[in-house]
Amino acid sequence: AQKVTQAQTEISVVEKEDVTLDCVYETRDTTYYLFWYKQPPSGELVFLIRRNSFDEQNEISGRYSWNFQKSTSSFNFTITASQVVDSAVYFCALSEANTGTASKLTFGTGTRLQVTL
Amino acid sequence: NAGVTQTPKFQVLKTGQSMTLQCAQDMNHEYMSWYRQDPGMGLRLIHYSVGAGITDQGEVPNGYNVSRSTTEDFPLRLLSAAPSQTSVYFCASSLRPAGHSGNTIYFGEGSWLTVV
Repeated sequence: AQKVTQAQTEISVVEKEDVTLDCVYETRDTTYYLFWYKQPPSGELVFLIRRNSFDEQNEISGRYSWNFQKSTSSFNFTITASQVVDSAVYFCALSEANTGTASKLTFGTGTRLQVTL
Repeated sequence: NAGVTQTPKFQVLKTGQSMTLQCAQDMNHEYMSWYRQDPGMGLRLIHYSVGAGITDQGEVPNGYNVSRSTTEDFPLRLLSAAPSQTSVYFCASSLRPAGHSGNTIYFGEGSWLTVV
């Protein structure tokens, strides 16, 4: 069975600090996909990134970066120079590659990030 | 969240009542899913569908029914509501399987359900 663990329940930082959100996953599949979603206070889910298991290259998008390491089954998310608008709950999620189940996402419990001035 | 419409946005039910949460998408997506979000538990999959006429159970299907008679609609039915079903419900759709290259999973804005 798949499992996603986000051990950090809540993180508080001061604006302009860097912050890393941890995500550890478990799966028996050799092909799988990892995701990060943002849920701002308004409640909608905003897609941030998708990564497949064959691509361990780190990715940077503006102030956001992701570190995927298969050796430790981790897919960590770093926000550089955090801003108040980054305050949200962030979810890590995992999907299997099998066609029959590939529409299913297994979510972590989320990390609530609070950025203050 | 353009393209996935959930109704109602807010609903209060009494224990034992039935209701249907509606989900519609106009993007001709084959893959649709229902999730519930509870405090401290993230989102958990209730039911999903890989095309019209095809549905299957997710992680927490008990107390919920679904059907997929058209590509566009994927309603979630609560036959006899219980307080344990108080939650926020999200519908999602995508053109291809979740991790497919270039694919985007669209989520609705959520439906807040309270069962008293």
